[in-house]
Amino acid sequence: AQSVSQHNHHVILSEAASLELGCNYSYGGTVNLFWYVQYPGQHLQLLLKYFSGDPLVKGIKGFEAEFIKSKFSFNLRKPSVQWSDTAEYFCAVSNTNAGKSTFGDGTTLTVKP
Amino acid sequence: GAGVSQSPSNKVTEKGKDVELRCDPISGHTALYWYRQSLGQGLEFLIYFQGNSAPDKSGLPSDRFSAERTGGSVSTLTIQRTQQEDSAVYLCASSFGGTMNTEAFFGQGTRLTVV
Repeated sequence: AQSVSQHNHHVILSEAASLELGCNYSYGGTVNLFWYVQYPGQHLQLLLKYFSGDPLVKGIKGFEAEFIKSKFSFNLRKPSVQWSDTAEYFCAVSNTNAGKSTFGDGTTLTVKP
Repeated sequence: GAGVSQSPSNKVTEKGKDVELRCDPISGHTALYWYRQSLGQGLEFLIYFQGNSAPDKSGLPSDRFSAERTGGSVSTLTIQRTQQEDSAVYLCASSFGGTMNTEAFFGQGTRLTVV
């Protein structure tokens, strides 16, 4: 069975600080990886995804994530956060044959203005 | 519609009652998923539909939970004899492809409170 671990439950940063949210997964086969974001009062939405190719993927709003296969990791990064990045972030993994994604417990990011 | 629609947005029910939660996916999306999110927890997979069939219902926590999908569109999740531990936000998502490998679009969720 696949599982996803997000290392930080709650992260608090000041504006312009750099962000890195950790995500590790366990699954031995080929995976697809996702980061979703849920802004306060809004739906979950896709931030970025990795299927194949360049392990460094870029998403919306200046976010990027790097897939490191040897470390089973897919960490999310942003060089300079803004107050509007305050949200909950979920890492998810699916194998290429499954119809579902497995989600981590989420990381709440609070950015102080 | 423009997005995934779930109803009701909030539901308070007494312990032991049955509830039905509805999901209207994006038109043309063949895959539909139900998840639930308890306070402070991640998203727990419940069931996946491809068309009207459910090839993966492994996440349904007990036989009190059931779901169906008709016409390849609307889905209902039914919880019988609700218990307090069923309190959670129930999320529905749909995607165009056969798996979540294509982007999944989530509804706003139904917040279920069992008192």
